Amino acid sequence: KAGVTQTPRYLIKTRGQQVTLSCSPISGHRSVSWYQQTPGQGLQFLFEYFSETQRNKGNFPGRFSGRQFSNSRSEMNVSTLELGDSALYLCASSSLQGTTGELFFGEGSRLTVL
Amino acid sequence: GESVGLHLPTLSVQEGDNSIINCAYSNSASDYFIWYKQESGKGPQFIIDIRSNMDKRQGQRVTVLLNKTVKHLSLQIAATQPGDSAVYFCAENTHSGGGADGLTFGKGTHLIIQP
Repeated sequence: KAGVTQTPRYLIKTRGQQVTLSCSPISGHRSVSWYQQTPGQGLQFLFEYFSETQRNKGNFPGRFSGRQFSNSRSEMNVSTLELGDSALYLCASSSLQGTTGELFFGEGSRLTVL
Repeated sequence: GESVGLHLPTLSVQEGDNSIINCAYSNSASDYFIWYKQESGKGPQFIIDIRSNMDKRQGQRVTVLLNKTVKHLSLQIAATQPGDSAVYFCAENTHSGGGADGLTFGKGTHLIIQP
C-alpha cells in the first residue's frame, strides 16, 4: 500500500508569510504526528492528531498549528514565518494513538524561509 | 544542504564488519525506545524497538540492547553493508497520564561504510 505522502516536497517563502503543509497518512492509519528537523535542533515533536483531535503538542509557539480531517489527512500551518522556521517538516502516521508502535514517516516538506 | 552545521558523531566501519551505535537517554521514566535510520533525502525509517521491560531484542541483522541502569541504548548491525550508510537516531517515549508525548530523538550518528 502507498506510504505517507507529503506535499509540497520543497517550498520557499519569505519572512512574515504563512505556509500550509499537507500529509496523507497510510490508508487505515488514524494517528498523524508532525516533526521539525533542523541541523541544530535535530528532530523535534510538533503535535499529534488522532481522529481529528490534537492529542499531544510539543514545545513550539502558537504560530505552529495543525488539523486533521475526517479522512485522517492532516495539515500543518506556520504563520508569520521566521528565518529559523527553515527546516524539514516530517509527517508520520501510525495505526495507534500516541507514539507507541511503529511510526511511518513521509519524505518531508523542505521549507526555506528567506 | 542538510549537513551544513550538523554536528553528528560519525562512525566509519569496513564493509562486512559489525557496527555498534550508542545512545544515551535522559529520562528514567521512558519506557519505549526505537531506532530509526534516515538516508539522505528521505524520512526516518523504523528499524527496531524495545520496551523497558526487556534488555535485548533482535531483528534481522540488528540487535538493540537496553541498559536502564545507566540509561544507555545501543544498536548493533551485523555484517554491515553499503546500504546501511545513513544517519541513525535513537528515540525515547514516555507515557504520561492518558496519552503519550511525542518521541524525543537523539542527535543521530552518521554511519559510513568503507569498501
